[in-house]
Amino acid sequence: EAQVTQNPRYLITVTGKKLTVTCSQNMNHEYMSWYRQDPGLGLRQIYYSMNVEVTDKGDVPEGYKVSRKEKRNFPLILESPSPNQTSLYFCASSFGGVYNEQFFGPGTRLTVL
Amino acid sequence: AQRVTQPEKLLSVFKGAPVELKCNYSYSGSPELFWYVQYSRQRLQLLLRHISRESIKGFTADLNKGETSFHLKKPFAQEEDSAMYYCALSGRGGDDKIIFGKGTRLHILP
Repeated sequence: EAQVTQNPRYLITVTGKKLTVTCSQNMNHEYMSWYRQDPGLGLRQIYYSMNVEVTDKGDVPEGYKVSRKEKRNFPLILESPSPNQTSLYFCASSFGGVYNEQFFGPGTRLTVL
Repeated sequence: AQRVTQPEKLLSVFKGAPVELKCNYSYSGSPELFWYVQYSRQRLQLLLRHISRESIKGFTADLNKGETSFHLKKPFAQEEDSAMYYCALSGRGGDDKIIFGKGTRLHILP
C-alpha cells in the first residue's frame, strides 16, 4: 500500500533530550516536507526537501534539523527540545514538487515537559 | 510576503444548504492554490487544486486574481462534508515552500 509512515505516533519527553521522528514513504517521491500543527495556527512548514541531499527551510525551522540521505526517508531531529515544540507533527511527500498532491503521514503527537 | 487568510474558524451550515469557505491570499507572483481537507480520524488529503480546475465531491473553487481569493463552494452540503478545511498557497517558479491558512472547521447540521 502506497503510504507515508511516521514513528513514533506519540512521544512524551523532557526538555533538552534529543529526539528523532522518522518519516518514510514508499512512493518514490522526490519532495518531502515536515509540518507542525498547532491550535489556532494551522499547519506551518518546518523543512522540505526536493531530493536526496537537498533540504531547505520552511517558515518555522528554528530548533529543528532534517536530513535526506535516502529518497524514502526524511527524519526530523530535535537536538534540544523545548516545551514550545509541543505540537502535532506531520510528514508529507509528493511527486515532483509542492505543486502536486502531497500525501500526508498519520501525525506524531509530541509533548515536551 | 506570502499569506493565506481563512477568516472563519468555524462554519456551521444546515444539510442541503450552500457552502462557501473563504480563502484570501497575498502573493506578489503567480500563485498556485490548493484546498486540503482533514476528516475526523483520517489523514490530511488534497481536495482540489486550482491548476486542475476540477470538481471533487461536489466542491469547486475559482481563483479570482482581482480579489486575490480562492473560495471553496458547494451548492448542497452533506453531512459527510463535516471536516477541517485548509487553503494553501505555493508560488510558481519560486521556491518549493507552501503556506497553509489556519483552517476552517465546517460543521454540517442535520
